[in-house]
Amino acid sequence: NAGVTQTPKFQVLKTGQSMTLQCAQDMNHEYMSWYRQDPGMGLRLIHYSVGAGITDQGEVPNGYNVSRSTTEDFPLRLLSAAPSQTSVYFCASGADPWRHGYTFGSGTRLTVV
Amino acid sequence: GENVEQHPSTLSVQEGDSAVIKCTYSDSASNYFPWYKQELGKRPQLIIDIRSNVGEKKDQRIAVTLNKTAKHFSLHITETQPEDSAVYFCAASIAGGNNRLAFGKGNQVVVIP
Repeated sequence: NAGVTQTPKFQVLKTGQSMTLQCAQDMNHEYMSWYRQDPGMGLRLIHYSVGAGITDQGEVPNGYNVSRSTTEDFPLRLLSAAPSQTSVYFCASGADPWRHGYTFGSGTRLTVV
Repeated sequence: GENVEQHPSTLSVQEGDSAVIKCTYSDSASNYFPWYKQELGKRPQLIIDIRSNVGEKKDQRIAVTLNKTAKHFSLHITETQPEDSAVYFCAASIAGGNNRLAFGKGNQVVVIP
C-alpha cells in the first residue's frame, strides 16, 4: 500500500512549456484534489474530483487542467507554464474527507524560469 | 465561500510549555475540522480532527476544542518537544462542497530546547 504517489518530485520548466504532474493512489479513494502551496498562502485548491469521470474547479484553477479517467489516477496538466506557477504542488485523496480528512502525497516542487 | 483564518502566524514556545493555535471559520454550516502538521520539506499529515457534534477531542499530548457559537476551534499541544516544531494547518469543511476542505494559511510553531 503506497498511499498517494506523486511524480516527479522536482521539475524545472521554461516559460511556455507544458507538462503533467502525475498522482496515483492505491487506496480506492473516490475523492482526490490538487493543491498548491506558496509561502504565506497556505494550501489553495486547484481542482478536485469526486469520482472517476467527475472533476471541478477549486479556487485557483486558471492555467491548469485535470482529468479522472480511473479511480486511481488524477493528473494535473500545466498548459503553458508561467513563473507565477512556481510552487509546491500536493495531490491528496480521501475515502470520506469530511470524516477522515485527506491523505497527501509527498509533493512536486515546480520552478518555472 | 468558507474563510478560515489562523492566529498567530508564528508561535515560539519553550520546550515543555504548552502551545495553543486558534482558527476561526466563517460558515456556520461547516461540520468537520481537521488539523494537519507539516514538517519542513514534508507532506501535510492529519494529526487530529473534530466534528461539530463534539466539543473536545484528545490524543495523547494534543487536543482540539470547538466553539460552534463563536465559530472557532483550537489546537492544544502540551509538554511541547522539539519534534513538535512544524507548520500547523487548520481546515474546515465547505458546506455543500463535495467533501472539499478550506485550509488556513498555517502557523509556524517553533519549540525552543
